[in-house]
Amino acid sequence: KQEVTQIPAALSVPEGENLVLNCSFTDSAIYNLQWFRQDPGKGLTSLLLIQSSQREQTSGRLNASLDKSSGRSTLYIAASQPGDSATYLCAVRRGSGNTGKLIFGQGTTLQVKP
Amino acid sequence: DAGVIQSPRHEVTEMGQEVTLRCKPISGHNSLFWYRQTMMRGLELLIYFNNNVPIDDSGMPEDRFSAKMPNASFSTLKIQPSEPRDSAVYFCASSLIQGATDTQYFGPGTRLTVL
Repeated sequence: KQEVTQIPAALSVPEGENLVLNCSFTDSAIYNLQWFRQDPGKGLTSLLLIQSSQREQTSGRLNASLDKSSGRSTLYIAASQPGDSATYLCAVRRGSGNTGKLIFGQGTTLQVKP
Repeated sequence: DAGVIQSPRHEVTEMGQEVTLRCKPISGHNSLFWYRQTMMRGLELLIYFNNNVPIDDSGMPEDRFSAKMPNASFSTLKIQPSEPRDSAVYFCASSLIQGATDTQYFGPGTRLTVL
């Protein structure tokens, strides 16, 4: 059974700091991995999607890496801003085709202090 | 596109009542997902449809929950009878599963409170 774990559960940093959020999964047979952002009282917004054949994806100040063999992914946020404060969730997709089920981690709640 | 639309945004009901949540996916998407989020259990997939057909309903907690997708632009999640432990935020998401690209787009959620 696939399990997804995110550490730490919460993180508080001063503005401008670079930071790394961690995600680990127990079954390396994944199709892809996604990082989402969730603001309080809102739905999830997809940030980055990494295919199982890829090592990393970048979007602006965000960089996500994937190491399937070790069952790990990281989300790197450069030059953090107060607007980055949110909960970040990673999710793995198990299979290809129409097996679209995502397994989510519990999330890391990030607070960036001005 | 307006994104995934869910209604109602908030629902407060009494135990035993029937609750119906509604979702309109993004036009052109071929898959629709219903999730439930609670503090204790996080985000859980309840059921998902591909081309309007239920593919995996293993996350549906019990027979009190049912979901339908009569056409590509509408889905419902029904709870009957509702119980206090059903209180949660219910999200609908849609995606276009086509090859390797299948980003899921989430709606704003329905916050359900069962008294």
